[in-house]
Amino acid sequence: GENVEQHPSTLSVQEGDSAVIKCTYSDSASNYFPWYKQELGKGPQLIIDIRSNVGEKKDQRIAVTLNKTAKHFSLHITETQPEDSAVYFCAAEGAGGTSYGKLTFGQGTILTVHP
Amino acid sequence: DTAVSQTPKYLVTQMGNDKSIKCEQNLGHDTMYWYKQDSKKFLKIMFSYNNKELIINETVPNRFSPKSPDKAHLNLHINSLELGDSAVYFCASSQEGQIGGYTFGSGTRLTVV
Repeated sequence: GENVEQHPSTLSVQEGDSAVIKCTYSDSASNYFPWYKQELGKGPQLIIDIRSNVGEKKDQRIAVTLNKTAKHFSLHITETQPEDSAVYFCAAEGAGGTSYGKLTFGQGTILTVHP
Repeated sequence: DTAVSQTPKYLVTQMGNDKSIKCEQNLGHDTMYWYKQDSKKFLKIMFSYNNKELIINETVPNRFSPKSPDKAHLNLHINSLELGDSAVYFCASSQEGQIGGYTFGSGTRLTVV
């Protein structure tokens, strides 16, 4: 089955700096890669996603890049703000067989933005 | 209106008890899931149902039994609770073929004492 590795596990930045979180996946058939933000006491919320026919996608201060050949994708947050502090999860969706439609999550990154 | 709602939000119970967690979604999605989040924040899928039919059943003890009375509801019943069952359980839903990923509920924090 799919295996998703996420790094780093914790990331501490100063307000205004950029933050980058990286993920690799094992199943080359996976074709959908969402990123979720989980704030304390809440469920994960989708913040951006990318499909395998696109290399990069941007939404204001956040962007995601995908390298399908290398099977890795990254989340970039620019001009970080204290409210960006949360746990971030990457995920990969299976494309076939018993993995179809199933999201496998990375281990999570605790991002702390210091004012 | 809450898109995916779970009840209860907190559940404290003794070992050996049987408990249920309920989930409802009003998004019209056809697939619902249960995920378990452990103390290290790792999210692991337990079950998924598509139109009331079990699709994914990961390696979960058979003390855990999901039930989907209709496609808007997916409940989780746990028998003979153990200390190791303590975690946050998240319900989620999605629509096959629709861009947008999963929508998660706010979680049920289960503590077994």
